[in-house]
Amino acid sequence: DIQMTQSPSTLSASVGDRVTITCRASQSISNWLAWYQQKPGKAPNLLIYDASSLESGVPSRFSGSGSGTEFTLTISSLQPDDFATYYCQQYTSYPYTFGQGTKLEIK
Amino acid sequence: EVQLVESGGGLVQPGGSLRLSCAASGFTFSSYWMSWVRQAPGKGLEWVANIKQDGSEKYYVDSVKGRFTISRDNAKNSLYLQMDSLRAEDTAVYYCARIRCSRTSCYIDDWGQGTLVTVSS
Repeated sequence: DIQMTQSPSTLSASVGDRVTITCRASQSISNWLAWYQQKPGKAPNLLIYDASSLESGVPSRFSGSGSGTEFTLTISSLQPDDFATYYCQQYTSYPYTFGQGTKLEIK
Repeated sequence: EVQLVESGGGLVQPGGSLRLSCAASGFTFSSYWMSWVRQAPGKGLEWVANIKQDGSEKYYVDSVKGRFTISRDNAKNSLYLQMDSLRAEDTAVYYCARIRCSRTSCYIDDWGQGTLVTVSS
């Protein structure tokens, strides 16, 4: 199985900050990676697919990059609505696997 | 608007069975792969199973193989998860999810709100 490792596990930041979350795969997954945002008690929401494609309706302050084994999700200027938990997920092979999550907290 | 509404969750004893349902609307259900993903309380997301549009292909995470069965009824726009021999570690919110496929990749693009399954005596 492909292991997905996110860092950091928790990130404290302020409104207006630029933040980056990293996701590493245990083997190459090409660019078959998605990023999801999840708020407490809610279902996840797709932000980025194919590593760098922005899902329709998602604000342009979110961006994704990377290929192979290392990927990043960047939020260019944090907004109050962005404080949530973020997950990466590979879909290059079964079983699909998720990272353990990064909780973005208000500093 | 895509809508995925899960039902069938609840409290069940270890070793018991439960059948989850997901009612889909707002899109052509028969044209999409579908998925179940779960989340144990306070934990991360875990993919459980996928099923092809016509039900001819199914994939499972190892921990549920032989115990869970994913199925669908395209005439009823419904997805199911039959869960047998349930264990305490199956306790989770179970999400029904739609899979979008391009020419080169397939990924989850929409989620239901989830249904809680609790396995406890």
